[in-house]
Amino acid sequence: TAGITQAPTSQILAAGRSMTLRCTQDMRHNAMYWYRQDLGLGLRLIHYSNTAGTTGKGEVPDGYSVSRANTDDFPLTLASAVPSQTSVYFCASRVGEEGYNEQFFGPGTRLTVL
Amino acid sequence: GQNIDQPTEMTATEGAIVQINCTYQTSGFNGLFWYQQHAGEAPTFLSYNVLDGLEEKGRFSSFLSRSKGYSYLLLKELQMKDSASYLCAVMDSNYQLIWGAGTKLIIKP
Repeated sequence: TAGITQAPTSQILAAGRSMTLRCTQDMRHNAMYWYRQDLGLGLRLIHYSNTAGTTGKGEVPDGYSVSRANTDDFPLTLASAVPSQTSVYFCASRVGEEGYNEQFFGPGTRLTVL
Repeated sequence: GQNIDQPTEMTATEGAIVQINCTYQTSGFNGLFWYQQHAGEAPTFLSYNVLDGLEEKGRFSSFLSRSKGYSYLLLKELQMKDSASYLCAVMDSNYQLIWGAGTKLIIKP
């Protein structure tokens, strides 16, 4: 199985433009997450979804939006990109929101906003 | 506030043993995870501790002391492929993971 896939692998985006980062998992996991990873900082949670049809804000949600129309897909949208959104973005999923079960990560999207 | 502390970088020799420490202060505790992340790749799961004590898994072991807010990852018989960043993460009272900045481990021949 593919696990979690993300697209694109990398992207250079002009400031002010919009973009959607795609994330798809085939493990039928209920919970999904979007993180950004910046040098010297830990992974920071942007948005999460505990189950299809629900979403929540993480630590750094400003400038980002998500939707969870079905179990498999969890796209992240930047409505109007700014240079501070330059980062590596990881999508992750796990079986459920509670209890012991580890998060599985996609390969990441490297985004540069100029 | 919530805080996870781990050393920024460590260097060790191939074949040796290294211990990577992690201290935490979080709102609630539902377990501690260690992940490995090679440069340019995604994090991958190594271990999970929720009770005090040592969990051993091959060359890797992880220890937890909840009263001290402390964990360590012990890597034995180091191999060059162990060169990576090691991420400590605590699951808080909302079952969200709070991540440390990671420890970059450099293995020298």
